[in-house]
Amino acid sequence: KAGVTQTPRYLIKTRGQQVTLSCSPISGHRSVSWYQQTPGQGLQFLFEYFSETQRNKGNFPGRFSGRQFSNSRSEMNVSTLELGDSALYLCASSFEPQRGYTFGSGTRLTVV
Amino acid sequence: SQQGEEDPQALSIQEGENATMNCSYKTSINNLQWYRQNSGRGLVHLILIRSNEREKHSGRLRVTLDTSKKSSSLLITASRAADTASYFCATAPISGNTPLVFGKGTRLSVIA
Repeated sequence: KAGVTQTPRYLIKTRGQQVTLSCSPISGHRSVSWYQQTPGQGLQFLFEYFSETQRNKGNFPGRFSGRQFSNSRSEMNVSTLELGDSALYLCASSFEPQRGYTFGSGTRLTVV
Repeated sequence: SQQGEEDPQALSIQEGENATMNCSYKTSINNLQWYRQNSGRGLVHLILIRSNEREKHSGRLRVTLDTSKKSSSLLITASRAADTASYFCATAPISGNTPLVFGKGTRLSVIA
């Protein structure tokens, strides 16, 4: 079966712009979680969506938002980009997070 | 914030040797999971050990869990160059429907 698909793979944006990242989970998985990975902070939890509802939220500013569609596909948006937002953004799909995630390959965002 | 802390941060061994990585965590958990990440890619789920289990095997992987010490170890036997990657532990908090919390990882280099 198809894995978790994240698009785009790479992005370069300028400070102040906004960006939208997309994630298509494994068929049948209703939970989609987003993580930010940086060398200094490791994997930081952004939010989790389950059946189109945000079920959990990490400690990130309101510039970071997300949503989930009825087909379980999810998007995350970052507005007013800052240099510190440069990171690998990982989407993780699961039937239930506590059973384990299947990760996408990530979107590498560079803010210049 | 990180719950799991891996030790060591980096490990370099010769092919054929065993590699041991440790993870400590702070709060009660339902289970603990180990993931592997090849450079710049998504994480791959390796093994899950439940809080009532003490040891689990999967191929060349052996995981132990000591809930009294809040620690786990991952042993990779007969390491291969292809095992070169970062390894992360992730804890599933005892309160349900909450996201996994990842440590900062151990960078393993296996030299041929």
